[in-house]
Amino acid sequence: QQQVKQSPQSLIVQKGGISIINCAYENTAFDYFPWYQQFPGKGPALLIAIRPDVSEKKEGRFTISFNKSAKQFSLHIMDSQPGDSATYFCAASKFMGGATNKLIFGTGTLLAVQP
Amino acid sequence: KAGVTQTPRYLIKTRGQQVTLSCSPISGHRSVSWYQQTPGQGLQFLFEYFSETQRNKGNFPGRFSGRQFSNSRSEMNVSTLELGDSALYLCASSPEPGISYNEQFFGPGTRLTVL
Repeated sequence: QQQVKQSPQSLIVQKGGISIINCAYENTAFDYFPWYQQFPGKGPALLIAIRPDVSEKKEGRFTISFNKSAKQFSLHIMDSQPGDSATYFCAASKFMGGATNKLIFGTGTLLAVQP
Repeated sequence: KAGVTQTPRYLIKTRGQQVTLSCSPISGHRSVSWYQQTPGQGLQFLFEYFSETQRNKGNFPGRFSGRQFSNSRSEMNVSTLELGDSALYLCASSPEPGISYNEQFFGPGTRLTVL
């Protein structure tokens, strides 16, 4: 029940294309769903996050779509650029009432954007 | 504001030895979490500290321990090292757990190699 399943494992997209990464969770108590971006040799950095009371959140070229009934959420990267090439992790957490910052991470997606 | 600092950045140890890793959170942040990152298991939660108290613990053996000091700096210790402990150990800091949807800021990690 604590798992977050992420797909695909790797993704190759042409410059200017749309990158889509999907995640699914089981624990309905999760109330915070962030996406992290990690470059080689660096720690993960928060990209965008969503709470289950909204179905979509957009920040620049990055959009999270959230389907509460299906227990799925996805990251869309519009107009993908070579600089977006990195590993992306979805995560989930039960923040409120749990007094914890514990994140359950997906397995990661290695994105390569070809020029 | 300075980011999360982790020392050392790289460490090589042999089986059976013990190791101590250090994390200095962002100034003003009082919550520190530790994660282990490996190619096979991905990012896994180790433990979380707030106000010198362990708030949450992941599913790791007792060889993994940690503590937090009054200035919010944290250390983790791994005793009797095994080859499988080779990993990137990441520290994340945030203001306070569970009160709001706090972003966690990750450090660059300590790369531990066990020979």
